[in-house]
Amino acid sequence: AQSVAQPEDQVNVAEGNPLTVKCTYSVSGNPYLFWYVQYPNRGLQFLLKYITGDNLVKGSYGFEAEFNKSQTSFHLKKPSALVSDSALYFCAVSLSGGGGNKLTFGTGTQLKVEL
Amino acid sequence: GAVVSQHPSWVICKSGTSVKIECRSLDFQATTMFWYRQFPKQSLMLMATSNEGSKATYEQGVEKDKFLINHASLTLSTLTVTSAHPEDSSFYICSAQIRVSTGELFFGEGSRLTVL
Repeated sequence: AQSVAQPEDQVNVAEGNPLTVKCTYSVSGNPYLFWYVQYPNRGLQFLLKYITGDNLVKGSYGFEAEFNKSQTSFHLKKPSALVSDSALYFCAVSLSGGGGNKLTFGTGTQLKVEL
Repeated sequence: GAVVSQHPSWVICKSGTSVKIECRSLDFQATTMFWYRQFPKQSLMLMATSNEGSKATYEQGVEKDKFLINHASLTLSTLTVTSAHPEDSSFYICSAQIRVSTGELFFGEGSRLTVL
């Protein structure tokens, strides 16, 4: 079975400061890891993914995430937060191999960026 | 990027009626689509996996007779909530798999169902 943990329900950051949204995963095999963002009453937008290769993955809107196999983590980061980054962020994992494998989502972390 | 269109965005219906939600992949063919349900301030709960030309695979606890899923073409999957009740009120989101090898999903905008 695969699972994802997002330990923080909410993260508050001042605009211009760096932000980190935490994610740890559990999967029996090589993981595919994803970050998605959701704005109110909207679907999910893809931010970035880790499949293989470089542990530091760069994605949309200046976000990046670092895959750490030993800590089974995939934390989302951004060097300088914007108010417009305020949204709900989901980490997700699937087993490598695709083939229609289901994504398992974390419970989400509400990011609030304040002036 | 890949675009998934979901319609309607909002729907209000009376208890006992049926509601159909459409999910379309606009610029790619999706052999597999997924339907999720999201409760307020909660994560997405996978309801079923929809495969083109075959029966949907439902997750445990999801009533297949209440939530009818049809995937008649490579670009369209539909979710019909039959005999809707207030407890079926929720945000329903579809997604389509664009690349089998990586499992990457693209999501529709979601449909807010309110059953009176």
